[in-house]
Amino acid sequence: DQQVKQNSPSLSVQEGRISILNCDYTNSMFDYFLWYKKYPAEGPTFLISISSIKDKNEDGRFTVFLNKSAKHLSLHIVPSQPGDSAVYFCAARTSGSRLTFGEGTQLTVNP
Amino acid sequence: KAGVTQTPRYLIKTRGQQVTLSCSPISGHRSVSWYQQTPGQGLQFLFEYFSETQRNKGNFPGRFSGRQFSNSRSEMNVSTLELGDSALYLCASSRRDRGKSPLHFGNGTRLTVT
Repeated sequence: DQQVKQNSPSLSVQEGRISILNCDYTNSMFDYFLWYKKYPAEGPTFLISISSIKDKNEDGRFTVFLNKSAKHLSLHIVPSQPGDSAVYFCAARTSGSRLTFGEGTQLTVNP
Repeated sequence: KAGVTQTPRYLIKTRGQQVTLSCSPISGHRSVSWYQQTPGQGLQFLFEYFSETQRNKGNFPGRFSGRQFSNSRSEMNVSTLELGDSALYLCASSRRDRGKSPLHFGNGTRLTVT
């Protein structure tokens, strides 16, 4: 039972444009959502998070949107840079430090 | 501030052996959790320790165990290794006592079982 799904395995965008990464979830008990970026041979790096009581959170070029009624969250990166090329994971939490991760989306930003 | 440190970075073991992996959390972080990453199953939660007590456990067999010490450092042990245990094992720490706080991951230990 895949409770967190990232339906796009890959996304390619031009440098300077917007990248939009999507994530859907099924468990309405999730109360905290996070996005991580991962380079090969490194651990995931925390990017941004959002509590279930909010619908938007911004941090510099990164904005996360949460639509609870649709059980959908998205990560917007504006403007996209070549250094943003990595695998992006969304994750959701029900309790403590137990996160449920999506399968990841490979983002490629072309110069 | 130093990040989460995992040792060793790489390990090669034979089926049937056991292995111990080590994790030092970020200073001040008292929660340590462990995750397994494989190509087929993605990132899966193993267990979480807080104040030397296991608080949460994922759906892994009893061959997978862990512990946490009074300085918050943690170890995980896998006994009777199987080929399917080959994976990247990631440790993460957080300020669990501060409500919703993100997990910060180490660079992992790549375990290969032959």
